[in-house]
Amino acid sequence: DVKVTQSSRYLVKRTGEKVFLECVQDMDHENMFWYRQDPGLGLRLIYFSYDVKMKEKGDIPEGYSVSREKKERFSLILESASTNQTSMYLCASRQGAPNTEAFFGQGTRLTVV
Amino acid sequence: AQSVTQLGSHVSVSEGALVLLRCNYSSSVPPYLFWYVQYPNQGLQLLLKYTSAATLVKGINGFEAEFKKSETSFHLTKPSAHMSDAAEYFCAGVAQGNTPLVFGKGTRLSVIA
Repeated sequence: DVKVTQSSRYLVKRTGEKVFLECVQDMDHENMFWYRQDPGLGLRLIYFSYDVKMKEKGDIPEGYSVSREKKERFSLILESASTNQTSMYLCASRQGAPNTEAFFGQGTRLTVV
Repeated sequence: AQSVTQLGSHVSVSEGALVLLRCNYSSSVPPYLFWYVQYPNQGLQLLLKYTSAATLVKGINGFEAEFKKSETSFHLTKPSAHMSDAAEYFCAGVAQGNTPLVFGKGTRLSVIA
């Protein structure tokens, strides 16, 4: 069974903390993505990566950074967490061909207090 | 640029009734389209995908969708709703190979006994 695994299901962090969200996929996919999901706004793309050490900004990159040192791992970093970053974060991976679907992790619900 | 619009943020149907969730896309090139389902506090799971092989696509759990180029639509249907179908549904599309999926804002389906 294919798998995208996010390191935490639930996280509570304090304002100003540096937060790491980890995502690992076991499908040898080239592409990996980080989305955030908020009620009424759907899924919004934060960052994505086509290959190791490559990254591209999505629609809402402000306040976030990413790291992809290995093909299977894609990390999302909140440099200084703020309360408006309280959200559900979803990691996904996908092959490079256009007719392929994205596979999602279970999500991390982050609360910043 | 590719965009996906889901009509109706919330749809309510009676158990046993027809389910119809609407999705329209805009694209200058033929798209690849997907429907995902999300149960509470879970990641997204693929229901079905259109990849130009056939305009009527059958998915899991009795769902199907029809690609209509003349209407730029890819509506999701199920003949008879079940209580277990209550979830959030997302339509997504991609026009080219290595670009991220673009998601609609989602439609929450409620099933009334």
